[in-house]
Amino acid sequence: GAVVSQHPSWVICKSGTSVKIECRSLDFQATTMFWYRQFPKQSLMLMATSNEGSKATYEQGVEKDKFLINHASLTLSTLTVTSAHPEDSSFYICSARAGTSGADTQYFGPGTRLTVL
Amino acid sequence: QKEVEQNSGPLSVPEGAIASLNCTYSDRVSQSFFWYRQYSGKSPELIMSIYSNGDKEDGRFTAQLNKASQYVSLLIRDSQPSDSATYLCAVNMAGGTSYGKLTFGQGTILTVHP
Repeated sequence: GAVVSQHPSWVICKSGTSVKIECRSLDFQATTMFWYRQFPKQSLMLMATSNEGSKATYEQGVEKDKFLINHASLTLSTLTVTSAHPEDSSFYICSARAGTSGADTQYFGPGTRLTVL
Repeated sequence: QKEVEQNSGPLSVPEGAIASLNCTYSDRVSQSFFWYRQYSGKSPELIMSIYSNGDKEDGRFTAQLNKASQYVSLLIRDSQPSDSATYLCAVNMAGGTSYGKLTFGQGTILTVHP
C-alpha cells in the first residue's frame, strides 16, 4: 500500500517552455500533497504544500507564478514549471499524506528529473 | 543553527557491523520523527517513524528517540552492502508555519564495504 506515482520520470525541455509534472496517490486518498526540489548532493527542499480543493501554500523564496500547483482531486496534484530556465533543472519529488496530522507519514513518489537546455 | 542536523559523513562500516546514524533537532516541541533512505538518483523511501521516547525496532533497524536531548538515531544491525545509501532524518516541526511539514537534515552517506 501507500504507493505514489509521478509522471514523467524524466523530461528534457528547451528554455522558455513549460513543463507539467503529475503526482498521483494510487491506493489512498491524499488529503495533502507536497512538492520538493533536490539539487545534486543536497537535501530535499520543500517548495509548496497543497490541499485538495484549495490554493497551494508556497515556501519562502519559491515563486508561485513560476511553479503552478493544482490539487484537483484527492489522488492527483500537478506541478507546472512555467517558462523554464536552466537553473530550474533539478530533481522534483512529490509526496502524499493521507491524514491531516503532521504525524502521518508522507509517502514519496519516484521523482521527476527535469533538464532545461 | 540548522533546524535538523545530521553528520554528513561519509560513514563507512564493514559488512556485518552496526551502523549508527545520528540526528539532532532544534524545535523542542516536535512530535514526529522519520528516517528515510535514499539511493543515488532515487527518491526517499520510509524506513521508520518514531513518536515516543525510547527504542523502536523493525527487523535490522532500530530507531531511538530522546526528546529531552532533542536527539534521534538509527541503528542498522548486520549492515549489508545494499544498505549503502544516504539516510535522511526528517522531523515534523510543530511550531508556527512549519506545522505539518517535514524538515529534513542534510543526510548521512553510509557505505557498507564487503
